[in-house]
Amino acid sequence: GDSVTQMEGPVTLSEEAFLTINCTYTATGYPSLFWYVQYPGEGLQLLLKATKADDKGSNKGFEATYRKETTSFHLEKGSVQVSDSAVYFCALITNSGYSTLTFGKGTMLLVSP
Amino acid sequence: DAGVIQSPRHEVTEMGQEVTLRCKPISGHNSLFWYRQTMMRGLELLIYFNNNVPIDDSGMPEDRFSAKMPNASFSTLKIQPSEPRDSAVYFCASSFEGRGQPQHFGDGTRLSIL
Repeated sequence: GDSVTQMEGPVTLSEEAFLTINCTYTATGYPSLFWYVQYPGEGLQLLLKATKADDKGSNKGFEATYRKETTSFHLEKGSVQVSDSAVYFCALITNSGYSTLTFGKGTMLLVSP
Repeated sequence: DAGVIQSPRHEVTEMGQEVTLRCKPISGHNSLFWYRQTMMRGLELLIYFNNNVPIDDSGMPEDRFSAKMPNASFSTLKIQPSEPRDSAVYFCASSFEGRGQPQHFGDGTRLSIL
């Protein structure tokens, strides 16, 4: 079946450091890929998405590129802020059948001043 | 535009009581999802509706859980009788059905069963 694997956290960084959170997937067909972010006490918010190979999703300084050859969708940000502290979820939807999301387990990011 | 609206935001009740969680999806969305989130199990999909019809309820834990969607703008998730192990954050999400369409989440209901 479909699955998403994320690096385990927490990831602890100092402000202005470079961020990478790894995400790889296994899916039948040709999935669409997403990153969601969950701030403490809140629901999941869509951060960015990509729907085909080599697409780059970007938002709020975060980027991720859909790499079909390595089945990966790694999240990056050049300079993190304390306000980026949250849990980040990688997810996919296969485009055959109905649109149920398959989530990774989430990666907690902690940014210190 | 209004997002997905869930109520109540917090619910504390005693074991054995009936609990009803409510969700109003984004207007025009035709798919609705109920999730449960706990530290131990992470995010779990409980049930998925498309055009008000339940498509996949394989994630519903047991017969104590039931969900309805009487119309396109309202859904409920009911637990009867509730148990302490049902304590979790319950999220509702909605989306358009179609390639690459993301799900939009509500802020969740934090449920505590004493």
